[in-house]
Amino acid sequence: NAGVMQNPRHLVRRRGQEARLRCSPMKGHSHVYWYRQLPEEGLKFMVYLQKENIIDESGMPKERFSAEFPKEGPSILRIQQVVRGDSAAYFCASSPQGSNTEAFFGQGTRLTVV
Amino acid sequence: TQLLEQSPQFLSIQEGENLTVYCNSSSVFSSLQWYRQEPGEGPVLLVTVVTGGEVKKLKRLTFQFGDARKDSSLHITAAQPGDTGLYLCAGSPQEYGNKLVFGAGTILRVKS
Repeated sequence: NAGVMQNPRHLVRRRGQEARLRCSPMKGHSHVYWYRQLPEEGLKFMVYLQKENIIDESGMPKERFSAEFPKEGPSILRIQQVVRGDSAAYFCASSPQGSNTEAFFGQGTRLTVV
Repeated sequence: TQLLEQSPQFLSIQEGENLTVYCNSSSVFSSLQWYRQEPGEGPVLLVTVVTGGEVKKLKRLTFQFGDARKDSSLHITAAQPGDTGLYLCAGSPQEYGNKLVFGAGTILRVKS
């Protein structure tokens, strides 16, 4: 039973390009969380999604950032017109149900904007 | 302000010493999770505590959930260099619905 799969592991983008980060949740999990982490800091909540629905996007910047979790396929975190400040590790977690259950993390995507 | 306050932020100790990490909140949680993260990797779930006052042991690690379900602690006995990492507590406060929030973490370094 595969765990949470994120790809790519490392992504380099030039300023102004788009970054697409993918997350395939664990089998049977229908809830996905995205978090952002800077070096030696904790995890900052970005967005919480169920299949085809955004439940809570209060941690996501209003501009340039979007997320989706379609009925089929992985969840996508999309960052348009990237800037240097977007450089960070982005982690995805999944859980089988939303409330008070454990979340299991992928290995993250390290985005570097040059 | 952090919904979950972790302390200390950083801890550097010698192999064999004991330590305790704290996770506090003014909110009530139905459960709290503890994760450990190594550099370059994603967080790995260590334990979930559910019942107020609950104590769970995982080898040399002891986790406790406060009676009021607002705080938790992680105690490590005879720390080893392999315990080095970032320890994170997390949970879904009752007023936040299903949003899973994290503390800022405690960076633990165990020197041999």
